[in-house]
Amino acid sequence: AQSVTQPDIHITVSEGASLELRCNYSYGATPYLFWYVQSPGQGLQLLLKYFSGDTLVQGIKGFEAEFKRSQSSFNLRKPSVHWSDAAEYFCAVGARSGGGADGLTFGKGTHLIIQP
Amino acid sequence: DTGVSQDPRHKITKRGQNVTFRCDPISEHNRLYWYRQTLGQGPEFLTYFQNEAQLEKSRLLSDRFSAERPKGSFSTLEIQRTEQGDSAMYLCASSRSGTVTEAFFGQGTRLTVV
Repeated sequence: AQSVTQPDIHITVSEGASLELRCNYSYGATPYLFWYVQSPGQGLQLLLKYFSGDTLVQGIKGFEAEFKRSQSSFNLRKPSVHWSDAAEYFCAVGARSGGGADGLTFGKGTHLIIQP
Repeated sequence: DTGVSQDPRHKITKRGQNVTFRCDPISEHNRLYWYRQTLGQGPEFLTYFQNEAQLEKSRLLSDRFSAERPKGSFSTLEIQRTEQGDSAMYLCASSRSGTVTEAFFGQGTRLTVV
């Protein structure tokens, strides 16, 4: 069975500082990988996804993530955070057999706090 | 295209009552998914449809949970005899079918069972 671990429940970063959110997955093969962001009272918005090819993927809002097969990781990064980035961030894995969107498995999320 | 729409946004019900939630997917999407999200957790997959066919329902939490998508467009999720443990956010998502795809989520229905 696939699983996702986000080791950091909360992260506090100063505005303008760099950010890295960790994600480790367990899956029998190379999965499809996603990062979603959820603001209070809102649904999930897709930040970026990895299906194949270049292991460094670019997303919206200046985010990027790097797939490292050897470490089973898909960490999310941003060089300079803005106060509006404060939100809950979820890493998810999808099975290739289902085109990547059949029953995504999500991590528990990382709550990002931005200090002024 | 206004994205995935869910109704109602909030529902408060008494324990033992039945509730039904509606999801309208993005119009050209033939796949539709239901997830549950409890406080402090990530979304948990429940079921999904391709057009009107329910292709996965083994992850529904109990036989009190059922979902339909009769015409391959909107879907409903029903919870019978609600329990306090059913209190959660219920999220709907939709996607195109294909080799690779991504799911777009609605804003969810927050259920509170009192």
